[in-house]
Amino acid sequence: GAVVSQHPSRVICKSGTSVKIECRSLDFQATTMFWYRQFPKQSLMLMATSNEGSKATYEQGVEKDKFLINHASLTLSTLTVTSAHPEDSSFYICSARGRGRADTQYFGPGTRLTVL
Amino acid sequence: GQQLNQSPQSMFIQEGEDVSMNCTSSSIFNTWLWYKQEPGEGPVLLIALYKAGELTSNGRLTAQFGITRKDSFLNISASIPSDVGIYFCAGQLTQGAQKLVFGQGTRLTINP
Repeated sequence: GAVVSQHPSRVICKSGTSVKIECRSLDFQATTMFWYRQFPKQSLMLMATSNEGSKATYEQGVEKDKFLINHASLTLSTLTVTSAHPEDSSFYICSARGRGRADTQYFGPGTRLTVL
Repeated sequence: GQQLNQSPQSMFIQEGEDVSMNCTSSSIFNTWLWYKQEPGEGPVLLIALYKAGELTSNGRLTAQFGITRKDSFLNISASIPSDVGIYFCAGQLTQGAQKLVFGQGTRLTINP
């Protein structure tokens, strides 16, 4: 199957700082990448959809100025949590969908963010 | 928004038993996907279904895309300890639609 990586796997930061999470598709070109947030014992909640070279589309209730998404190339998307607060602590997971795999999303391993 | 009703929410079984879980919706889906997630990891794709009535196997796992296109099931035969995890169904409403709709997940626990 397709391989999607995320970095870092876990990060601890102080309140007020910004954190950047990278998502890479390693063996295919991802025309679309998705960012999800998952709370303990819950399903995945879609935050935003990003297409390479264009602005991300955010889901209702997700602050675009707080969760900055950049999809500058066909293999890399980044999520920056700006001015993080303890309530932003969560498990963030990206997924990627690419040419030839149009209807299937492959997920990264996730990033555990803890804001102190 | 659109929702998938996944059941059961949790299962406690003995090693060697067969497992069955399903997802239903009031909406018609174009694609059904089944994922498994282990603690601290991202979901891993198990089976993808693209046509109504399609029955696909992946080792001990078998999944079917319902004829009505409103449901799908996943079966696991002869369960083993490494099958433990949370299983999610996900559906795509229209061809080419970008977003997936996820079920609430089925947590599988196996007693050795």
